[in-house]
Amino acid sequence: IVLTQSPDTLSLSPGERAILSCRASQNIASNYLVWYQQKLGQAPRLLFYDAGRRAAGVPDRFSGSGSGTDFTLIINSLEPEDFGVFYCQQYGTSIPTFGGGTTVEMK
Amino acid sequence: QLQLQESGPGLVKPSETLSLTCRVSNDYISNNYFYWIWIRQAPGKGLEWIGSIHNTGVTQYSPSLWGRASMSIDMSKDEVSLRLTSVTAADTGLYFCACGPRPRADRWGRGTHVTVSS
Repeated sequence: IVLTQSPDTLSLSPGERAILSCRASQNIASNYLVWYQQKLGQAPRLLFYDAGRRAAGVPDRFSGSGSGTDFTLIINSLEPEDFGVFYCQQYGTSIPTFGGGTTVEMK
Repeated sequence: QLQLQESGPGLVKPSETLSLTCRVSNDYISNNYFYWIWIRQAPGKGLEWIGSIHNTGVTQYSPSLWGRASMSIDMSKDEVSLRLTSVTAADTGLYFCACGPRPRADRWGRGTHVTVSS
């Protein structure tokens, strides 16, 4: 399954809303789709699994949704620590794959 | 608290075999609940799935590696290993060990840098 993330880059100010898209080339079984955040120089961290289940410690200004082939990550009211690169990954097939990433940068 | 720590040679010559280990803390490696995963990131690029191994012995590898990858678990050493044969400059990057109850990375190590160069 090929995952296409859009946009490539979002330039936003703190307090604004970020909307990130992840589109799959075919249906993802059981909505086995995760979102990760990676900050510069750090390992990624899990934000959401099964499309909309929030991982431990993730603030509720983050929300994940979607099903089938279209998935969305929304960050309401961006905080300075929210900026970074966001990746989606599917594990609905025997060969997990990542999307290319969306960079959320401070305007 | 589950912690993962990768280690490796840092520098590998082209055509040689890369061997990396991931040390797993607190006896979690004997937990049949987890998939042990390797992911890499080329400099300035995105994440790439290498493969996974479950405690049952079931493995899965990305077809993009053309059969060059293999993984194993050594419970006596609390380690998960990755071997990548016939390396080229394209294998240069940051290699992460991770784990999760499914093939997803709930927990990550900090990564280990690998450079392929003569």
